[in-house]
Amino acid sequence: DTEVTQTPKHLVMGMTNKKSLKCEQHMGHRAMYWYKQKAKKPPELMFVYSYEKLSINESVPSRFSPECPNSSLLNLHLHALQPEDSALYLCASSQVFRLAMFNEQFFGPGTRLTVL
Amino acid sequence: GEDVEQSLFLSVREGDSSVINCTYTDSSSTYLYWYKQEPGAGLQLLTYIFSNMDMKQDQRLTVLLNKKDKHLSLRIADTQTGDSAIYFCAESRAGNNRKLIWGLGTSLAVNP
Repeated sequence: DTEVTQTPKHLVMGMTNKKSLKCEQHMGHRAMYWYKQKAKKPPELMFVYSYEKLSINESVPSRFSPECPNSSLLNLHLHALQPEDSALYLCASSQVFRLAMFNEQFFGPGTRLTVL
Repeated sequence: GEDVEQSLFLSVREGDSSVINCTYTDSSSTYLYWYKQEPGAGLQLLTYIFSNMDMKQDQRLTVLLNKKDKHLSLRIADTQTGDSAIYFCAESRAGNNRKLIWGLGTSLAVNP
């Protein structure tokens, strides 16, 4: 299984709602990532988990709260979002290699989020 | 994407070769990657090259790296309509292979 799955595919939420995005992989990868991607732009890294511990937080606002309950699952909890947070949210996973080595990230199809 | 630059658009005819170019600024780059993103989909790694190589070929794809000029290119031979997508160049730097530095992407349109 070389797939990263994400649910839901689409999500529409109001600014006062609380929702969660889910990501799952069964490739045995121990690094998992959240990215935000605006239309026609490159992905922007948000968070990286390594061995289920948060290793990179790219100064993301606290209305985004990541969680890695086990080595296969990654969640992104959303609360009090703004319309400018509307974007495609991509999850990725990879092996954990020494930092100078090749590291392929496998991406999921994304969740298209619209904040009204 | 300010450290990695790409031209934004490329249009080719089906059957022709496509060449997508990328320049980067950091001499500590270890690996350079080409990712493909089809409309409404996630990103897929197409190919990559280690920074001490100058060429890599993989079926219809040829990657050329000029380390002196910090210039990377992706050539797609016999371009097909299914190659229409956005192509992102990305680099990883020494000491941090988990954070990729991305170009803005080149939108490739293949005309029949």
